[in-house]
Amino acid sequence: GQNIDQPTEMTATEGAIVQINCTYQTSGFNGLFWYQQHAGEAPTFLSYNVLDGLEEKGRFSSFLSRSKGYSYLLLKELQMKDSASYLCAPLNSNYQLIWGAGTKLIIKP
Amino acid sequence: IAGITQAPTSQILAAGRRMTLRCTQDMRHNAMYWYRQDLGLGLRLIHYSNTAGTTGKGEVPDGYSVSRANTDDFPLTLASAVPSQTSVYFCASSRLAGEVYEQFFGPGTRLTVL
Repeated sequence: GQNIDQPTEMTATEGAIVQINCTYQTSGFNGLFWYQQHAGEAPTFLSYNVLDGLEEKGRFSSFLSRSKGYSYLLLKELQMKDSASYLCAPLNSNYQLIWGAGTKLIIKP
Repeated sequence: IAGITQAPTSQILAAGRRMTLRCTQDMRHNAMYWYRQDLGLGLRLIHYSNTAGTTGKGEVPDGYSVSRANTDDFPLTLASAVPSQTSVYFCASSRLAGEVYEQFFGPGTRLTVL
């Protein structure tokens, strides 16, 4: 079957660093996407990994280990506007995204 | 317009009524998708279209139908709404199907079926 696991909720402090983990099982694999979704809004693209390792994009980085079925999203220098849900979504062999339920990140001052 | 638009923004519907959710994109993307998002669950694919004139069933297609008469429009129809179809519906598009492209999402339609 296909399954995505990520924590339901995390809390972090403004200015700190937070790591959001995701483990996945899919029918085939063509890379993994991370999306950000603010409450009441649409998801927006953050990152894509297809090879093992770390992809850095400003304050956000995403890591992938294909052999472990594992990814994480690293957010540095947290700002209040980073309060949102973060969705992990691997791409299966049919090039369909399989979505996790998302991790709600709460940033406290 | 730029991107994807959806209409209506929200709707309250009596059970048994027919409803069409509209989706239009102006990015000339070939692939389009309909998802529903429910609390505590990931986005679930209802139907998709790889290109104009073709459609396919996703994970939860029962009770829904779609059409793709042209590149820009991808309406979703609920033939006879039931309370379990209460959800937030997102339309999305990507440049091509069968390859790796990010999906762009519309603002969503919040549907309540009573």
